[in-house]
Amino acid sequence: DSGVTQTPKHLITATGQRVTLRCSPRSGDLSVYWYQQSLDQGLQFLIQYYNGEERAKGNILERFSAQQFPDLHSELNLSSLELGDSALYFCASSMTSGRAYNEQFFGPGTRLTVL
Amino acid sequence: AQTVTQSQPEMSVQEAETVTLSCTYDTSESNYYLFWYKQPPSRQMILVIRQEAYKQQNATENRFSVNFQKAAKSFSLKISDSQLGDTAMYFCAFMKQHGGSQGNLIFGKGTKLSVKP
Repeated sequence: DSGVTQTPKHLITATGQRVTLRCSPRSGDLSVYWYQQSLDQGLQFLIQYYNGEERAKGNILERFSAQQFPDLHSELNLSSLELGDSALYFCASSMTSGRAYNEQFFGPGTRLTVL
Repeated sequence: AQTVTQSQPEMSVQEAETVTLSCTYDTSESNYYLFWYKQPPSRQMILVIRQEAYKQQNATENRFSVNFQKAAKSFSLKISDSQLGDTAMYFCAFMKQHGGSQGNLIFGKGTKLSVKP
């Protein structure tokens, strides 16, 4: 158990719908990262937050958005869902976003299926 | 932009044997980290080993060791005394050490390793 929790574990929805994935980082971790794992794109970085502020953006679609709340949990919002959005969405957390190395601890992921 | 390439989609090895997984990367950065992650059928991402680019000595963690060739931009993983529990997808990953976007991981496509009894 990495200490990172993600809810829900599985999500099945229809095209055009909107869903919210939730992540609670490890106690004390200030950075949250979202990754998408799909058959087509592999594992790719979506977005990073540090202490409530967006820190880095990767290949995140405009239909997707995220935020990190004062209690440091994060939510990834996916809207106007398409079949191709079906994937495993991972959240990871690390202690800081500084220059020193900080291991990222991954949550168990949320499996999203868009029908 | 950084890229990570794993040229072996699938590999298999007999239990107790040694196997080497290959990874090459492309970057103009001087300071960075390289990782191998394991993803078993449970889908959990598990860090296997980490290498700092400024260190010449190859990292070792029990049965896992790397061969880091900075000039060649090569980073292979050797698994000794393979065990059935090593069966998993293995991902090579890159992380910049300084500057913008530090901290996010760039992954290769993965190598599916099967350990056979």
